[in-house]
Amino acid sequence: DQQVKQNSPSLSVQEGRISILNCDYTNSMFDYFLWYKKYPAEGPTFLISISSIKDKNEDGRFTVFLNKSAKHLSLHIVPSQPGDSAVYFCAAVNYGGSQGNLIFGKGTKLSVKP
Amino acid sequence: DAGVIQSPRHEVTEMGQEVTLRCKPISGHDYLFWYRQTMMRGLELLIYFNNNVPIDDSGMPEDRFSAKMPNASFSTLKIQPSEPRDSAVYFCASTTGTLFAFGSGTRLTVV
Repeated sequence: DQQVKQNSPSLSVQEGRISILNCDYTNSMFDYFLWYKKYPAEGPTFLISISSIKDKNEDGRFTVFLNKSAKHLSLHIVPSQPGDSAVYFCAAVNYGGSQGNLIFGKGTKLSVKP
Repeated sequence: DAGVIQSPRHEVTEMGQEVTLRCKPISGHDYLFWYRQTMMRGLELLIYFNNNVPIDDSGMPEDRFSAKMPNASFSTLKIQPSEPRDSAVYFCASTTGTLFAFGSGTRLTVV
């Protein structure tokens, strides 16, 4: 059973527009959520995170929104740039419990077209 | 710091052979994780260690897979015997808590 789901395997957006990547989770014990970005032939790199006590976190062009009641989070990229083209992984972790491991979604491949 | 270092970057082996993947975590990180990435399953956790002790190996697919962490600066993931369905990219990651740092991965191809 997948605890973290990214239902869109791919997304294509025009340069300058907004990219919205979605993520759903099932485990209400998750208390921290992260987004990772992955280029081909490289390991995932940390992008932005949000604690479960917040509903929004912003860092430059990247904003993550958390809706705990819906068990849903989203990553907004505004404006999108061709260099943002990569696979984006949503991840969740339960730091408050005994499970310290990151659970990942399957990823969404974002293509930003010039 | 050089980050999490994995070797080899690429490995091609024949079915039935033993394969050993290596990882050097970031110094001071007390958690180490092994992940496998496939198209079908995305990034899935295989096993993780805390202070060199395996904590959760429920993600290890079969007895053919084993992982060790003999000291704080080194871990191995071994597959014996390897099968074509083991072909994937294997990532090692380390952390002290909040932020995970990933290695560049080992692309394993079993023919």
